[in-house]
Amino acid sequence: GQNIDQPTEMTATEGAIVQINCTYQTSGFNGLFWYQQHAGEAPTFLSYNVLDGLEEKGRFSSFLSRSKGYSYLLLKELQMKDSASYLCAVRDPYNTDKLIFGTGTRLQVFP
Amino acid sequence: DAGVTQSPTHLIKTRGQHVTLRCSPISGHKSVSWYQQVLGQGPQFIFQYYEKEERGRGNFPDRFSARQFPNYSSELNVNALLLGDSALYLCASSPIAGGLGWETQYFGPGTRLLVL
Repeated sequence: GQNIDQPTEMTATEGAIVQINCTYQTSGFNGLFWYQQHAGEAPTFLSYNVLDGLEEKGRFSSFLSRSKGYSYLLLKELQMKDSASYLCAVRDPYNTDKLIFGTGTRLQVFP
Repeated sequence: DAGVTQSPTHLIKTRGQHVTLRCSPISGHKSVSWYQQVLGQGPQFIFQYYEKEERGRGNFPDRFSARQFPNYSSELNVNALLLGDSALYLCASSPIAGGLGWETQYFGPGTRLLVL
């Protein structure tokens, strides 16, 4: 079976750095995605990792360790607009168009 | 360019009724997937269609069905609605099927269904 775990909620202060962790157990691995979802809106793509290491995109970075089944999303210089849910998802090894999502981590940024 | 569009945006139904949700993919995208997102959870895969053929099905009962039209738009049908079907239904499109690169799925705004 496939299983993805991430914390349910996190809080942080404007201007700070926050790390959202994701662990996964899957029978195979074809890539891991991070999406941002504001309340009542569609998920929007943030990052994609398929090889080990860190991918940096502006204030957001994503890290992957395939041997540990572990990823994190790092958000720097937090802004109020970063308050949202962050979804970790992996490709289904048997259907690469199927994404398997975690429950999401709801991040609240306070002034 | 227009993104993925879905209609209606909101819908209220009663138990036992059926519902049809519609999705238009990004122009040029041939693969459409449907996801159900219950409040407080991540999206759950329902179906994937590519070139009008079903390419994948999630763990949902036969009350859920879908189809894709020649213009690549898609409909999701749910029969005999249950209270537990209340959720945000998301449609996602991607250019091709079976890609292994970064090319991800682009989600529409969703249809929020409430079953009373």
